[in-house]
Amino acid sequence: QSALTQPASVSGSPGQSITISCTGTSSDVGSYNLVSWYQQHPGKAPKLMIYEVSKRPSGVSNRFSGSKSGNTASLTISGLQAEDEADYYCCSYAGSSTLNWVFGGGTKLTVL
Amino acid sequence: QVTLKESGPVLVKPTETLTLTCTVSGFSLSNARMGVSWIRQPPGKALEWLAHIFSNDEKSYSTSLKSRLTISKDTSKSQVVLTMTNMDPVDTATYYCARNVRYFDIWGQGTMVTVSS
Repeated sequence: QSALTQPASVSGSPGQSITISCTGTSSDVGSYNLVSWYQQHPGKAPKLMIYEVSKRPSGVSNRFSGSKSGNTASLTISGLQAEDEADYYCCSYAGSSTLNWVFGGGTKLTVL
Repeated sequence: QVTLKESGPVLVKPTETLTLTCTVSGFSLSNARMGVSWIRQPPGKALEWLAHIFSNDEKSYSTSLKSRLTISKDTSKSQVVLTMTNMDPVDTATYYCARNVRYFDIWGQGTMVTVSS
């Protein structure tokens, strides 16, 4: 099972919106509405930001939103703030026959 | 409050077996639909899912590492144990345990393991 494909880096200015893509296959992203997104600041554990494609956990800003079309999921952050600068990882359930969960390669978000 | 905490050796030698323990609190390992996964992250690299144990004791493993991994749990102690055999320097990473409810909602702080002679 290959990792999901994410852009290595994205950037935006404060107040702008950015979108991070996450491309998988019909065996993972395309088959299950179980895509999740994690934010990771340097030296810290990942934090759940989006689950089941588009749901936000309690306490996560509504500036974060998720969507999916076919084999590609997306994370959009609107109204960029300095504290959003971090690494972001997508993850998808990949079925029980092989690898059950697969992560993306990660995207470094820089707030200019 | 739900917490998970990893513990284990900081340094292991090549070919040795690594044993890591995840101690959970705030939920029971016998709760339906709640399981625990192990995930690792080499320095400067991406997250990699390793293994998962369900509440009913069903287990699943990364295809590429399946032959080296064993996951188990002791519900009475609220602990999940991961063993990885034949450690190699490429296995140097921060190892995390996380509660898995079909996504990883709560993570431990992680434990850094270095493989070196």
